[in-house]
Amino acid sequence: QQQVKQSPQSLIVQKGGISIINCAYENTAFDYFPWYQQFPGKGPALLIAIRPDVSEKKEGRFTISFNKSAKQFSLHIMDSQPGDSATYFCAASKAGTALIFGKGTTLSVSS
Amino acid sequence: DAGVTQSPTHLIKTRGQQVTLRCSPKSGHDTVSWYQQALGQGPQFIFQYYEEEERQRGNFPDRFSGHQFPNYSSELNVNALLLGDSALYLCASSETLQGASEKLFFGSGTQLSVL
Repeated sequence: QQQVKQSPQSLIVQKGGISIINCAYENTAFDYFPWYQQFPGKGPALLIAIRPDVSEKKEGRFTISFNKSAKQFSLHIMDSQPGDSATYFCAASKAGTALIFGKGTTLSVSS
Repeated sequence: DAGVTQSPTHLIKTRGQQVTLRCSPKSGHDTVSWYQQALGQGPQFIFQYYEEEERQRGNFPDRFSGHQFPNYSSELNVNALLLGDSALYLCASSETLQGASEKLFFGSGTQLSVL
């Protein structure tokens, strides 16, 4: 049973465009929803995270939108740049427990 | 300030062998978690160590074991290696056990190949 489902599997966006990656979760007890960015040969790095008491969080060009009733959250990357080309993972956890990751989305930003 | 460091970076073993992977957490962090990342997949939680004890464990067999030392560094041991154990093994550290899933800092991992 996959508790965190991520889509799409891969995404190609033109430089300057908006990249959107979606995640759906099943466990309503989850209370922490981060996004991680991973470059080849590196470990994942925390990008931005949200809790279910807010519907949106923005940090620079990165925004998380959260829909509690639909049990979905998404990552929006505004003004996408070639340097944003990486694999992105959504994840979820409930208090005191380990993160459960989605399968990842490979983003390619073409110049 | 060094981040999470893992050694070795690459390792090749044969089926049935045993392997030990090492991790030093980020300075100031006392909680260490290990994840397995198969090719094209997201990281999967193996176990977590705090105060030299295993605090949580994911759905991995007993062939996977670990240890945490008084200086907070950690080891992951895998016995009786299978071809399916080939993966990137990631160590992650965090400041406290309470927020152990939050603000995780990952190392670059150890790429294990089992032949």
